[in-house]
Amino acid sequence: QVQLQESGPGLVKPSETLSLTCTVSGGSISGYYWSWIRQPAGKGLEWIGRIYTSGSTNCNPSLKSRVTLSVATSRKQFSLNLSSVTAADTAVYYCARDRGGIQLNWGQGTLVSVSS
Amino acid sequence: DIQMTQSPSSLSASVGDRVTITCQASQDISNYLNWYQQKPGKAPKLLIYDASNLETGVPSRFSGSGSGTDFTFTISSLQPEDIATYYCQQSDNVPPTFGQGTRLEIK
Repeated sequence: QVQLQESGPGLVKPSETLSLTCTVSGGSISGYYWSWIRQPAGKGLEWIGRIYTSGSTNCNPSLKSRVTLSVATSRKQFSLNLSSVTAADTAVYYCARDRGGIQLNWGQGTLVSVSS
Repeated sequence: DIQMTQSPSSLSASVGDRVTITCQASQDISNYLNWYQQKPGKAPKLLIYDASNLETGVPSRFSGSGSGTDFTFTISSLQPEDIATYYCQQSDNVPPTFGQGTRLEIK
């Protein structure tokens, strides 16, 4: 069974860049899209974007200007960079395996707080 | 973006009850509709994809139906472990968008 694990700083200062990595285990990283989704405390789910193992990406237009996605297939990892963060970016960030927009498997999530 | 509207936003039911949640899309999404279960402090889990297909390992008391703009999610006999928030999500267009969630509680 594919497992995903997010990693990265839990605290980011305003105006800086949030950087997270997701490590895939228990299956191949090839042949799938890999997504990032976030959830502010007590609120709903927002899809951030996805990357295919070829490097092709799709991003939410609401965040597109601040999002950079990358993939390192040899390390079975993919990453999210979100620039110019504000308090509104405070959320639990999830990575997921994506098939046609369906989020098949999810990581456990990591809380990122934006605060000085 | 396609807007997804779920109802009700919260629901209280007894063990053994039949529970139904509806989801409406702001435009035709064919059958590209998925349902997720999120228990407190946990990641969402895929239950149903493409409107009516049960994900492997998901109990058969969960089901989904619908097409176009109107969809239904049903738990045929509510169990205590079903306490969670349920989200619909459309995967017809990018960005995939989620409903606001339905919080299910036991009476």
